[in-house]
Amino acid sequence: NAGVMQNPRHLVRRRGQEARLRCSPVKGHSHVYWYRQLPEEGLKFMVYLQKENIIDESGMPKERFSAEFPKEGPSILRIQQVVRGDSAAYFCASSPGFLIYQETQYFGPGTRLLVL
Amino acid sequence: KNEVEQSPQNLTAQEGEFITINCSYSVGISALHWLQQHPGGGIVSLFMLSSGKKKHGRLIATINIQEKHSSLHITASHPRDSAVYICAVRPNTGNQFYFGTGTSLTVIP
Repeated sequence: NAGVMQNPRHLVRRRGQEARLRCSPVKGHSHVYWYRQLPEEGLKFMVYLQKENIIDESGMPKERFSAEFPKEGPSILRIQQVVRGDSAAYFCASSPGFLIYQETQYFGPGTRLLVL
Repeated sequence: KNEVEQSPQNLTAQEGEFITINCSYSVGISALHWLQQHPGGGIVSLFMLSSGKKKHGRLIATINIQEKHSSLHITASHPRDSAVYICAVRPNTGNQFYFGTGTSLTVIP
C-alpha cells in the first residue's frame, strides 16, 4: 500500500548548487501538487501538474524553479542556483484526478532542503 | 491578508477534553480540507468537506458554506492527538489550495 513517496527526505546544498526533489504519487494518481513550507510559516501552493502538463504554476517563483511530471517516472521539482531563502520543507501531494474539485489529496513525507 | 484564518493559534488541553478548532475563510470555495501535521513534519489528510458534516472516529468536521466557516472537533482528546491542525480551502476558481497557518494542539496526560 504505497502512498506518496518523496526523495530525498533531507537534502543539503551549498548556495549556487542545484536541488532536485522527486515525488512518486500514489499508484494510479495522475495529479500532483507541490507545496512549500518555510520555517515557522504555513504551507504555500507552488504548482499543479498532470501527466506531461503543467496546469497551474502560479505559486512557483518565475526564476530558478521548474517542475515536470513526465509520462513515465516521478514528478521532479528542480531548483537551480539555490539560495539560503530556499531552505524549507517541500511537500508533494497527489490525487486521482476524477473529481478534482472535491478530491482528497494524499501528502508525501516531504523533503527538507537546507541551503548552506 | 490571508484568505484562511484559524483560531486558536495554540491550544493546550487536558486528556479527555473536548476540543474545537475553527477555520474562517473569505472566498467562495469548492472544498475545504483539514490536515494534521505531526511534530516529525508528516502531513495526513483528515477530511475533505464541501458541505455538512463528516465523522471519523473521535474526529468530527463541520462546514457552514453561508457563513464561510468550518470547525474541527476532537472528542475525548488524547496526548497522541498533539499535532498542528491545518485548514485549507480550494476556491471556486483556480486549482490551488490556500492554507491557514495552523493550530498547534498539545494534549497533556
